[in-house]
Amino acid sequence: GQNIDQPTEMTATEGAIVQINCTYQTSGFNGLFWYQQHAGEAPTFLSYNVLDGLEEKGRFSSFLSRSKGYSYLLLKELQMKDSASYLCAVRERNYGGSQGNLIFGKGTKLSVKP
Amino acid sequence: EAQVTQNPRYLITVTGKKLTVTCSQNMNHEYMSWYRQDPGLGLRQIYYSMNVEVTDKGDVPEGYKVSRKEKRNFPLILESPSPNQTSLYFCASSLRSTGNTIYFGEGSWLTVV
Repeated sequence: GQNIDQPTEMTATEGAIVQINCTYQTSGFNGLFWYQQHAGEAPTFLSYNVLDGLEEKGRFSSFLSRSKGYSYLLLKELQMKDSASYLCAVRERNYGGSQGNLIFGKGTKLSVKP
Repeated sequence: EAQVTQNPRYLITVTGKKLTVTCSQNMNHEYMSWYRQDPGLGLRQIYYSMNVEVTDKGDVPEGYKVSRKEKRNFPLILESPSPNQTSLYFCASSLRSTGNTIYFGEGSWLTVV
C-alpha cells in the first residue's frame, strides 16, 4: 500500500527554526517533493530530493533518507509569511522503473507567531 | 507562459446537473491529475493520467469521470453532482522524466446545492 505521514499542525516563533517531518511507504520511489500552500491557493514547489542527503535552498532545506522512508523540511529564520500548509509528496516508481503516480501527504499546517 | 488553466474558477450548481471542469496545459506534459481538497483532509487524488488515452483511479474516484483524448486537456466530469462534491478542485500536470515537479492550476471552487 501507499502511505505518507506528516504532523497535522505545528506552531513556531518568528525568527526560529522549525523541522517538519514526513515518513512514507509507497510502491517504489522516484523522488520526494515539498510544496507550500497558503489557504485557498494552489501549492507551490519548494524542493526536490531523489538521493539521500540534504538539499539547501536559501532559508529552506530538505533532507532525505530512502532506507528509512523519511524526509524533513527545515525552515530557518521563520517569517510570518511562512504560515502555510506544507505538503510532502512522493513520486512512485512503476514496474520497469518508469515514473509513476505522485502521492501527497495530508499536509502540515504551520503557524508562525510573533 | 507555462501554465495549467482550469475553468470555471468558481461555480455554484444544483444537485444532479451535469457539469464539466476543464483543465488545459501548454507544456506538453504527459502526466495530469485531478485533486480535491477539503478542510483537514489534504489533497486527495480523484483520477490521474500517465498519457493520452491512459487514465487511472486515484483515492476518491466515485462520482467522477475523466477523459484524455489529447495531451493538453484533461476534463473532470461530474455526471450527477451531489452536495458532498462541494470542494476546491485542483488540476495538475508534469513531465514524466525524473526530477520534474508538478504544476498546479489555480483551483476551482465548486458548490453543489
